[in-house]
Amino acid sequence: SYVLTQPPSVSVAPGQTARIICGGDNIGSKNVHWYQQRPGQAPALVIYDDSDRPSGIPDRFSGSKSGITATLTISRVEAGDEADYYCHVWDSYLWVFGGGTKLTVL
Amino acid sequence: QLQLQESGPGLVKPSETLSLTCIVSSGSITMSNNYWGWIRQPPGKGLEWIGSFFYGGTTNYNPSLKSRVTIFVDTSKEQLSLKVNSVTAADTAVYYCARGQGRSWADAFDIWGQGTMVSVSS
Repeated sequence: SYVLTQPPSVSVAPGQTARIICGGDNIGSKNVHWYQQRPGQAPALVIYDDSDRPSGIPDRFSGSKSGITATLTISRVEAGDEADYYCHVWDSYLWVFGGGTKLTVL
Repeated sequence: QLQLQESGPGLVKPSETLSLTCIVSSGSITMSNNYWGWIRQPPGKGLEWIGSFFYGGTTNYNPSLKSRVTIFVDTSKEQLSLKVNSVTAADTAVYYCARGQGRSWADAFDIWGQGTMVSVSS
């Protein structure tokens, strides 16, 4: 079965840039989506189809893909960005989520 | 703005059947061009896909749960339902329903319910 790999945690100071990586076999051929899950809340879509932002998501959030990894980049990080972030792809009738990355704002 | 609201029993005994519903407000399951899904999250763990459904089309299930799970729609109530048979403690989780952005299975889940916590315990 298909596996998406994320680092368990990323830490960044306020105002800096956070990069969260999602790795998977042949991920370059798949649409990658990213979700933010704040403590006690449901996941919320922040990036879809590799790099598109839903309405209402600030442009500090961006997505990219290269080779065997996809990256969620959060610029000018704020305290409110502290959350778990999950990548997601569809592969051969399976919906796969990465294990999640906890973003800590120092 | 479409909203999703899950509801369930809260507590289920081992070996029994878990039944959950997802009410769709300001929208329609049967009249939309979206697929719908169930996802769960055990306490302190990550997201696990359970199954995805397109009204009038096919349903896909996580192979690890397929033998115990059924997703269906109550068309008269516009409710998406999930049944999990023969539950164990490993089924303890927050259960979410979510809407796919479009009719492509590769689309993201763009709207999520708030989730409902289910504990399996005697």
